[in-house]
Amino acid sequence: AQTVTQSQPEMSVQEAETVTLSCTYDTSESDYYLFWYKQPPSRQMILVIRQEAYKQQNATENRFSVNFQKAAKSFSLKISDSQLGDAAMYFCAYRSAGNSGYALNFGKGTSLLVTP
Amino acid sequence: NAGVTQTPKFQVLKTGQSMTLQCAQDMNHNSMYWYRQDPGMGLRLIYYSASEGTTDKGEVPNGYNVSRLNKREFSLRLESAAPSQTSVYFCASSEEWWSQTQYFGPGTRLTVL
Repeated sequence: AQTVTQSQPEMSVQEAETVTLSCTYDTSESDYYLFWYKQPPSRQMILVIRQEAYKQQNATENRFSVNFQKAAKSFSLKISDSQLGDAAMYFCAYRSAGNSGYALNFGKGTSLLVTP
Repeated sequence: NAGVTQTPKFQVLKTGQSMTLQCAQDMNHNSMYWYRQDPGMGLRLIYYSASEGTTDKGEVPNGYNVSRLNKREFSLRLESAAPSQTSVYFCASSEEWWSQTQYFGPGTRLTVL
């Protein structure tokens, strides 16, 4: 299985500031998908943003954007204008686009604290 | 449109007891999944069902069985619960198994004493 690594167990950001969460992955495949999921205290897993590996353009969703570096196998999430509601666990996930691409492979997560 | 629903939300079992976790989706998705989340870990796939009538093992299937009852429902059964199965269980669905996005239910917190 592909390995997804999130090297920051915890991060902190002040309200209205910008924070970047890191994610690296290990794969020999050329076609795959990458995701960031948010898990607030309610435990619900919420899709934040996704990126197709064949697309060079970085995905953006309102205040959320990614920096996808395919050669470096890096997929970081930038949250701009942070809000108190952004406080949650954030999981990076990988999914193969091939015939075995049914499972999401998750990293261990980064806990984001947002301070007023 | 409730999305993916799971019952129960919480459950406490004694070692050796059995139980079934229920999952249903109303999005007309073909594929459904069961994951478990242990403390300090991401989710790991237990079983999945690519389409109605099919099920396959994921990364951590030991100690579990599944049933794809119909297109809407996918249940997970613990025949003889063990403390190592204490975890949070998530059900998810996607339009097809190759679809990009999986949509998750709210999870079931299971404790096995």
